[in-house]
Amino acid sequence: GEDVEQSLFLSVREGDSSVINCTYTDSSSTYLYWYKQEPGAGLQLLTYIFSNMDMKQDQRLTVLLNKKDKHLSLRIADTQTGDSAIYFCAEPGSGGYNKLIFGAGTRLAVHP
Amino acid sequence: KAGVTQTPRYLIKTRGQQVTLSCSPISGHRSVSWYQQTPGQGLQFLFEYFSETQRNKGNFPGRFSGRQFSNSRSEMNVSTLELGDSALYLCASSIDRVTEAFFGQGTRLTVV
Repeated sequence: GEDVEQSLFLSVREGDSSVINCTYTDSSSTYLYWYKQEPGAGLQLLTYIFSNMDMKQDQRLTVLLNKKDKHLSLRIADTQTGDSAIYFCAEPGSGGYNKLIFGAGTRLAVHP
Repeated sequence: KAGVTQTPRYLIKTRGQQVTLSCSPISGHRSVSWYQQTPGQGLQFLFEYFSETQRNKGNFPGRFSGRQFSNSRSEMNVSTLELGDSALYLCASSIDRVTEAFFGQGTRLTVV
């Protein structure tokens, strides 16, 4: 079945690195995504990784993909208070087209 | 370039009523997907439209329906509202395949 799992909460100190983990079930997923949601807002696409890649770096963000273990992680370097939000991992759902299956979201709290 | 626009932002309805939510995608985007976000169930896919055709549908009762117009704007309708329909309804637009899906701010529906 379709299932994406994430830990629910992460607390880090400002300036430290944050690592948010996700496991997914569909080994045929072509892309895997990270979205960010701030309070009262919609979802913002942060980054995505193609399934034939192991790593993707985009400024402070690093995505690591372990296809064997179906494990995806998002590392945020030099975490700032503005990074406090809920982070969602997502994979394409069955039936094709534009259906995404989201994890429950990881709430990142950044403290001084 | 304008983003995805959802109207209204907030809505309060009474049980048994029906409601229509609107989504205007980014110019040039022909795919619109709808999601329901609740604290208990998280983000769940409702349906996806492309060029006025529904291509994919999630596991929601028939009270949830949608349509897409020739200008790619989409509406979703919920009939015979139940308390459990209270949620944030998000729409996402993309050119076609879900390499990049951009979300609106959402419509927060409260059923009383």
